[in-house]
Amino acid sequence: ETGVTQTPRHLVMGMTNKKSLKCEQHLGHNAMYWYKQSAKKPLELMFVYNFKEQTENNSVPSRFSPECPNSSHLFLHLHTLQPEDSALYLCASSQDLSAMGGYTFGSGTRLTVV
Amino acid sequence: AQSVTQLDSQVPVFEEAPVELRCNYSSSVSVYLFWYVQYPNQGLQLLLKYLSGSTLVKGINGFEAEFNKSQTSFHLRKPSVHISDTAEYFCAVSDYGNTGKLIFGQGTTLQVKP
Repeated sequence: ETGVTQTPRHLVMGMTNKKSLKCEQHLGHNAMYWYKQSAKKPLELMFVYNFKEQTENNSVPSRFSPECPNSSHLFLHLHTLQPEDSALYLCASSQDLSAMGGYTFGSGTRLTVV
Repeated sequence: AQSVTQLDSQVPVFEEAPVELRCNYSSSVSVYLFWYVQYPNQGLQLLLKYLSGSTLVKGINGFEAEFNKSQTSFHLRKPSVHISDTAEYFCAVSDYGNTGKLIFGQGTTLQVKP
């Protein structure tokens, strides 16, 4: 399988639940990203990883906890979320941090917090 | 800091008509520029990119864009649209700083009518 794969595609969780989003890329890229896409807002960069090391945390609340065990996998662990965290969470990868080739995006996880 | 402004939130157009989606950016350094398309319930797909050289770049699906440094613009055009072009379009900018960051505009919804 090629490209960037995100699971699950849809997730409904209560505010006291703990869940994880998974992202996997088979492109041989070294940089991976989490973005949040809310209605009527621009895409918001959350985290950047390069060679599995975090290089950017864009002031994201601690209820979002990323994990990058290797260059091919990226997780976003969620706990005690708020209803305003409901959004489409997009994972992306790029060859490196120059981003000259642009990103390759996954299809996203549609998260609903109830 | 960089920013991207997409001047139209919605652009309605009839099938087979030409279309232009406008994008302006601000940056104090040289940049890379991108256009992405997002179909419903999907991630973003790269349409085209400007890195350097010729200011007119051609992308997939018959789209093209022109980089204008003096006007800090990167407008997207297509001479004849199809119903299948109905989607959300995002302009994005990245600097040369090797941070990996892409800054996205708010998006423009292209609505192609029969």
